[in-house]
Amino acid sequence: EAQVTQNPRYLITVTGKKLTVTCSQNMNHEYMSWYRQDPGLGLRQIYYSMNVEVTDKGDVPEGYKVSRKEKRNFPLILESPSPNQTSLYFCASSRQGGQGEQYFGPGTRLTVT
Amino acid sequence: AQRVTQPEKLLSVFKGAPVELKCNYSYSGSPELFWYVQYSRQRLQLLLRHISRESIKGFTADLNKGETSFHLKKPFAQEEDSAMYYCALRNYGGSQGNLIFGKGTKLSVKP
Repeated sequence: EAQVTQNPRYLITVTGKKLTVTCSQNMNHEYMSWYRQDPGLGLRQIYYSMNVEVTDKGDVPEGYKVSRKEKRNFPLILESPSPNQTSLYFCASSRQGGQGEQYFGPGTRLTVT
Repeated sequence: AQRVTQPEKLLSVFKGAPVELKCNYSYSGSPELFWYVQYSRQRLQLLLRHISRESIKGFTADLNKGETSFHLKKPFAQEEDSAMYYCALRNYGGSQGNLIFGKGTKLSVKP
């Protein structure tokens, strides 16, 4: 089954404690992206990757890092989480150049206290 | 600047009534537009795209370049249509292939 998976699905952490949210897709997609979803603000792109070892900032990259060492994985790293990063995070993937439909993961709800 | 505007945060209709979710865009070029839907506690999924000119679950959307709009319509709303709807524009600018999302409209269909 073609899918995008994220782990963990729910996470409560404290300010400053480094964390990683994993994202994996099994569709051999070149393009992957991270979004955060906040009430009244919709989806905002954090980082994206056009292919392995190629990443770039989205609209709200501050406080986040990503890496793309393998085609299927695109982890989101919060080196020192802060309460304003409490949000619902979605990973997505699509074919080369972001063509076609973007397939979304189930979301990760992060709470930073 | 590229932008997607969904003017309504919440749209509430009764079952069987027509529904129209508005989307306006700003884009200097030939736009590629999508509607994504997010049902309660589920992931976002593509509903339809303008280039395929299809009808999904009774929904249609027509690109109006003159009005820079891509409104989503359904003649008879069903309770299962209740969800969050996002209009999105593909940006072929500096960040090629990226989607720019509107802030979303929550559709509530009452029995």
